[in-house]
Amino acid sequence: GQQVMQIPQYQHVQEGEDFTTYCNSSTTLSNIQWYKQRPGGHPVFLIQLVKSGEVKKQKRLTFQFGEAKKNSSLHITATQTTDVGTYFCAGLGGNYQLIWGAGTKLIIKP
Amino acid sequence: SQTIHQWPATLVQPVGSPLSLECTVEGTSNPNLYWYRQAAGRGLQLLFYSVGIGQISSEVPQNLSASRPQDRQFILSSKKLLLSDSGFYLCAWSGGGSQPQHFGDGTRLSIL
Repeated sequence: GQQVMQIPQYQHVQEGEDFTTYCNSSTTLSNIQWYKQRPGGHPVFLIQLVKSGEVKKQKRLTFQFGEAKKNSSLHITATQTTDVGTYFCAGLGGNYQLIWGAGTKLIIKP
Repeated sequence: SQTIHQWPATLVQPVGSPLSLECTVEGTSNPNLYWYRQAAGRGLQLLFYSVGIGQISSEVPQNLSASRPQDRQFILSSKKLLLSDSGFYLCAWSGGGSQPQHFGDGTRLSIL
């Protein structure tokens, strides 16, 4: 079946360093969505990418969708403590069901 | 605006007891509804989804069931809970198609 692989599972950074998480799909996706889950909270929708090669920015967050619509990345510049949480990608498959990545947990080193 | 309510927030149940978790959505009609389970520190596992009243699709065979008795009400049930049913249960809704999903606050279920 369709799968979305997300790496890394964890990333420890010093506050102010950058963070990147990557998602790769075994098949072409209609779109890709990104969600953030704060510790103890529920996933919250961040953004949706639809077009091949699309790049979108939200302040310090940059989202990219690959040319083949099989991969995506989220890059955070100069992390802050408010960025802590788990970031999930979710690709929309052919049956309009979301295929979720396993998430990348962003941990800020004390 | 649309809101989603999920309760209870936490629940502690003995093994073998029944379960009923309820989720309701306000401010929209005919939403797609979803039940997910999340083990501690893990990703989201889709359990059930529904595109309309009485229409339930099961993604993972297990001792849980779901029902949608009304357009904006989604219920997750079990007749006899297992230890492995512990986890964080999340209800979500979407407008269908490629629209994003919006989650409730979740229920933390502990089985003793």
